[in-house]
Amino acid sequence: DAGVTQSPTHLIKTRGQQVTLRCSPKSGHDTVSWYQQALGQGPQFIFQYYEEEERQRGNFPDRFSGHQFPNYSSELNVNALLLGDSALYLCASSFQGRRHGYTFGSGTRLTVV
Amino acid sequence: AQRVTQPEKLLSVFKGAPVELKCNYSYSGSPELFWYVQYSRQRLQLLLRHISRESIKGFTADLNKGETSFHLKKPFAQEEDSAMYYCALIGDYKLSFGAGTTVTVRA
Repeated sequence: DAGVTQSPTHLIKTRGQQVTLRCSPKSGHDTVSWYQQALGQGPQFIFQYYEEEERQRGNFPDRFSGHQFPNYSSELNVNALLLGDSALYLCASSFQGRRHGYTFGSGTRLTVV
Repeated sequence: AQRVTQPEKLLSVFKGAPVELKCNYSYSGSPELFWYVQYSRQRLQLLLRHISRESIKGFTADLNKGETSFHLKKPFAQEEDSAMYYCALIGDYKLSFGAGTTVTVRA
């Protein structure tokens, strides 16, 4: 079992550009959540996708959008990048319910210059 | 709204000493609580969850609903326990994290 896989691992973008990050959930999981982790801080919830729809959203602007595909994989898109968007972006997968916690990927390190 | 508070940003203990990481939460419903650990250069991984009442790597955590706490404890710290620890809560599907506590175990 490959667990949760994210791509790319590292990315450098220029301010104002757009970026797409990808995530494949753990086998058997159908729910994908995205988090932003700034240096020295805990992960902050961006949004969660279930059955190809955004089920919950954290306190992030509309520049952050996502998508979930029929195979449960997901994308996170960020438009009009700001320097402050530089962070580690984590994807986590789970199965419907919440009792067993989430499985996390290694993350994508995004640097905006 | 759901919130997780970890009051200690840094915790330094000697090898063999007890270690306790504090976690308090607020949530109006019945939460599911977890501890996650992140070792240097590794991904975030689940350490333990309150529903299973298990002990992982010598760590235990008891949910105290009266005090809304879920403190993590280990009687004898080891050098390999040096890591970042996050307390987390699931309510309404969303997993929310505290700010984390960096634990350093000194020889």
